[in-house]
Amino acid sequence: TQLLEQSPQFLSIQEGENLTVYCNSSSVFSSLQWYRQEPGEGPVLLVTVVTGGEVKKLKRLTFQFGDARKDSSLHITAAQPGDTGLYLCAGDAGNQFYFGTGTSLTVIP
Amino acid sequence: GAGVSQSPSNKVTEKGKDVELRCDPISGHTALYWYRQSLGQGLEFLIYFQGNSAPDKSGLPSDRFSAERTGGSVSTLTIQRTQQEDSAVYLCASSPMTGFITGGYTFGSGTRLTVV
Repeated sequence: TQLLEQSPQFLSIQEGENLTVYCNSSSVFSSLQWYRQEPGEGPVLLVTVVTGGEVKKLKRLTFQFGDARKDSSLHITAAQPGDTGLYLCAGDAGNQFYFGTGTSLTVIP
Repeated sequence: GAGVSQSPSNKVTEKGKDVELRCDPISGHTALYWYRQSLGQGLEFLIYFQGNSAPDKSGLPSDRFSAERTGGSVSTLTIQRTQQEDSAVYLCASSPMTGFITGGYTFGSGTRLTVV
C-alpha cells in the first residue's frame, strides 16, 4: 500500500487566517488530486495536479505538486467558514487512487 | 442517474447479522470503487470493478466481505456476520475509466453502518 500522510490531522483557525495542509509520501505518483468532504457527503474533487512543480490556483486555494511528485500542499488564504471540511489528497497508483489520512479543518467565524 | 446513489443512507444492525449495501453508479461509468471511512478519517480502499474484468479485491479486510457488480452497473457490497469494528461509512465512487482521470471520482453520499 502506498501511504499518503497528511498533516496536520486537525486544524482550527479563525476566519481570515491563512493555512497550509501537507500531503507526503515516499512513493512517486503520476498525478495527485485534492478533495473536500463535508459531513454526510462524499468527497468532491477540487483539483488534479500532474507535473512536478506544478502550481494551480482555485480562487483562495493554491495547490502545489512537489518537484519529485511525492508530495503536495494546499494553501488557503483568508479562510472562511465555508472552507470547513475534511481535506483529502489522493495519489494515482495506476488503476486507482490511494487516499491520504485526511485533514479536518474548522474555520471559526 | 445524475449522480452516484447509495442505499440505505443509514443502517443499524446487530452483531452477527449480514448486511447488503447498494451502489448505483453514474450511467456509462465503467469503473466502480468501494471505500470505507472511519469517523473523520481517510478512505480505505476495499474493491474496484472495471468493465467486465475481474475485480481487484485486494483491499477487502476479511472473507466476510464480498461485492458483486451486475450487468456492469449496480454494485452490492455484502458484509457477513457483522462485527462492531465494521462500523463505518461505506462510500461508493464511479468514474468513466480507471487510470489517470482528470475529472476524478464521483462519490455517493455513503452508507453509515452501525453495528450494535
